[in-house]
Amino acid sequence: AQKVTQAQTEISVVEKEDVTLDCVYETRDTTYYLFWYKQPPSGELVFLIRRNSFDEQNEISGRYSWNFQKSTSSFNFTITASQVVDSAVYFCALSEPTTDSWGKLQFGAGTQVVVTP
Amino acid sequence: DAGVIQSPRHEVTEMGQEVTLRCKPISGHDYLFWYRQTMMRGLELLIYFNNNVPIDDSGMPEDRFSAKMPNASFSTLKIQPSEPRDSAVYFCASTLNPVGPDEQYFGPGTRLTVT
Repeated sequence: AQKVTQAQTEISVVEKEDVTLDCVYETRDTTYYLFWYKQPPSGELVFLIRRNSFDEQNEISGRYSWNFQKSTSSFNFTITASQVVDSAVYFCALSEPTTDSWGKLQFGAGTQVVVTP
Repeated sequence: DAGVIQSPRHEVTEMGQEVTLRCKPISGHDYLFWYRQTMMRGLELLIYFNNNVPIDDSGMPEDRFSAKMPNASFSTLKIQPSEPRDSAVYFCASTLNPVGPDEQYFGPGTRLTVT
């Protein structure tokens, strides 16, 4: 079963518009971690944020902000005043504890963001 | 730090040939991961190592795939024999991960095309 759902396949916006990417996750663990990664057209995966399940404070980093709501199992990501350089595929990921370690990252399908001038 | 290094960056091979992908993790990182990315299946974890020991290989698609980590600074992913459905981008990632999951640092990927 899919543990991380990113229902939006592609979002197209005009520069300076805000864009919100949805991420819904599923887990039975009380302790877990959530991540967002960016994959620009060049192909590499770039880490954006890590959030643990005990920290529900929203976070802002420049034009990026994240809204973590355990009640709805969501970890949404907003880009404010989008720029062309924000065009990329954005992945949400979940890490649950295992008997061995925290190693496995389970990725959502990704949301393609296209920002046009 | 040079980051995670993968080679080759691109590989084109014919069906039936052996393919070896290589990865050098960031120095000091205890965990190494191999991922595969395709349009159909997205990003999927194939296998990961902790201190050179394979921990979870449940994502390895079949016996044609094998991975090794002979030392802390080198890992290989081998496909023998290769098939067209193996065409994908293969990423290697590493992390320190002392307690909870740290961020994983990804390499640039190897784009494999099997004809």
